[in-house]
Amino acid sequence: QVQLQESGPGLVKPSQTLSLTCTVSGGSISSGGYYWSWIRQHPGKGLEWIGYIYYSGSTYYNPSLKSRVTISVDTSKNQFSLKLSSVTAADTAVYYCARETRPDTATPGVFDYWGQGTLVTVSS
Amino acid sequence: QSALTQPASVSGSPGQSITISCTGTSSDVGSYNLVSWYQQHPGKAPKLMIYEVSKRPSGVSNRFSGSKSGNTASLTISGLQAEDEADYYCCSYAGSSTPWVFGGGTKLTVL
Repeated sequence: QVQLQESGPGLVKPSQTLSLTCTVSGGSISSGGYYWSWIRQHPGKGLEWIGYIYYSGSTYYNPSLKSRVTISVDTSKNQFSLKLSSVTAADTAVYYCARETRPDTATPGVFDYWGQGTLVTVSS
Repeated sequence: QSALTQPASVSGSPGQSITISCTGTSSDVGSYNLVSWYQQHPGKAPKLMIYEVSKRPSGVSNRFSGSKSGNTASLTISGLQAEDEADYYCCSYAGSSTPWVFGGGTKLTVL
């Protein structure tokens, strides 16, 4: 059974960089056909897709966040990470990591496994 | 404001059926048969219930079904059970620019 677990600071100061890591267990992050995403949920609001990475390092980000987002992968640790720079209170949210399973690299798939999420609060 | 519109809450009694709608646009729900639904209990990870509009993953009860008409997708839960009480989110592919959009979530209460 694949499991994903987010980790990182729960409190970040305004203007600093939010950093989170997602550890994948029960399967290899390097297996083809899987894209690894970050998704967030503002308090009381819906979900927002942030971006994804493939095990090769190929990334794609939500245009609305692209200038501040970096997603990286460490296949040796079976982890992928999120960095969001210049954070403000508007970045306070529960951050989820999720696996998107695709039938092939060109065809969108489905988020079949998610982490439980971690609340990150931006406050001085 | 979420890209996809869902009712904030729905309710039903045990044994009844309920339907949750998810309204998008011709650029997302209306263009792709890539709508999925997720169930989330408090403090838990979202769980995939329906994908590609109407397909059920292995292990998901056949009481859960999905459909789509135009720009609106729907999740129907029949034979409501207490354990179905949760938040439900819809998700749709929206093209290569911003691939994934989600709904604001619907809280299902089993009376």
